[in-house]
Amino acid sequence: LAKTTQPISMDSYEGQEVNITCSHNNIATNDYITWYQQFPSQGPRFIIQGYKTKVTNEVASLFIPADRKSSTLSLPRVSLSDTAVYYCLVGENSGYSTLTFGKGTMLLVSP
Amino acid sequence: DAGVTQSPTHLIKTRGQQVTLRCSPKSGHDTVSWYQQALGQGPQFIFQYYEEEERQRGNFPDRFSGHQFPNYSSELNVNALLLGDSALYLCASSLSPDQPQHFGDGTRLSIL
Repeated sequence: LAKTTQPISMDSYEGQEVNITCSHNNIATNDYITWYQQFPSQGPRFIIQGYKTKVTNEVASLFIPADRKSSTLSLPRVSLSDTAVYYCLVGENSGYSTLTFGKGTMLLVSP
Repeated sequence: DAGVTQSPTHLIKTRGQQVTLRCSPKSGHDTVSWYQQALGQGPQFIFQYYEEEERQRGNFPDRFSGHQFPNYSSELNVNALLLGDSALYLCASSLSPDQPQHFGDGTRLSIL
């Protein structure tokens, strides 16, 4: 399984765009990149998943360069409610796969 | 449509006791996975059940066992509890290989 590296914490202010970068140098050809969000005392929630280039949904965008050795989760105009831990996962694109979580990035959004 | 539900939400046990945690998957989901999340850490995979059988297992001792019922609900059993078993236990379910896993909000287990 490809190991991921992401910042331990990030700070931002309401209304700003936040970009969280994840490094995954050993990503395999069949691996997808998935991001989960977790609030305190709740289970992780799926945000977005991608294989290459750019993926966008109503919540976030995911940018993946051609070499796929890193990826960036972009959260537009964050609010206080976006304060959470964000996990970058790399692995097979399967709902039956075992998910390997790192320690994630704690994002703190201030007024 | 209810999501993944887990019970109880909180539980306190003492060392050496046994505990059973329960999970009802999201409607229609047939695969259930269990994860352990220690404070300040990401979730760690324990095992996965499909068609009432354990299909995959993480690096957890045999004290951790499980079961899946015909209605796809699942139980996680932990025997001979240790202080280090204190954690948030998460259940995740999935519908098919091309859909992401959905997590419940977990059971907070505290060992005294």
